[in-house]
Amino acid sequence: GENVEQHPSTLSVQEGDSAVIKCTYSDSASNYFPWYKQELGKRPQLIIDIRSNVGEKKDQRIAVTLNKTAKHFSLHITETQPEDSAVYFCAAFNSGGYQKVTFGTGTKLQVIP
Amino acid sequence: GAGVSQSPSNKVTEKGKDVELRCDPISGHTALYWYRQSLGQGLEFLIYFQGNSAPDKSGLPSDRFSAERTGGSVSTLTIQRTQQEDSAVYLCASSLATGGWNQPQHFGDGTRLSIL
Repeated sequence: GENVEQHPSTLSVQEGDSAVIKCTYSDSASNYFPWYKQELGKRPQLIIDIRSNVGEKKDQRIAVTLNKTAKHFSLHITETQPEDSAVYFCAAFNSGGYQKVTFGTGTKLQVIP
Repeated sequence: GAGVSQSPSNKVTEKGKDVELRCDPISGHTALYWYRQSLGQGLEFLIYFQGNSAPDKSGLPSDRFSAERTGGSVSTLTIQRTQQEDSAVYLCASSLATGGWNQPQHFGDGTRLSIL
């Protein structure tokens, strides 16, 4: 089955700096890669996603890159703000005959004012 | 324009009791997922429904866990003879499922289950 590894598990950055979180996956049939932000005690919220036919996607301060050959995708947050502090999860979906999904173990991001 | 609704929001029960958790997805969403999230951990996939059928039950931890979905809408997750290790937040998510491409999932607030 699919295996998704997420690094780092914790990340501290100064406000205004960039943060990068990386995920690797094992199943070359995976074709959809969302990123979720989860604040303490809250539901996961989709912040950006990318499909396998695209190499990069950007939405304001957030971007995701996908390298299908190397089987990794990364979340990039620029000009970080304290409200970016949360746990971020990546996921890999394989539509195949039916949808299979595997989540990464999460990265706790702390933005220091 | 309601989102995914889960009930109850909190459930405390004694070990050995059965519990039933409910998920009401966004109207029109045919795909529905159940996940389990232990404290400080990631999301553990439990089961996925496409309409009323569950093509993937591989994530259910044991035969004490079952789920059903009727009418292509509301789903219930049942845990029989609960154990303390079942304590976690149970999250439900729904999405459109069109054209063979995966669609973004929308999560509910979860049910926080505590087994005494």
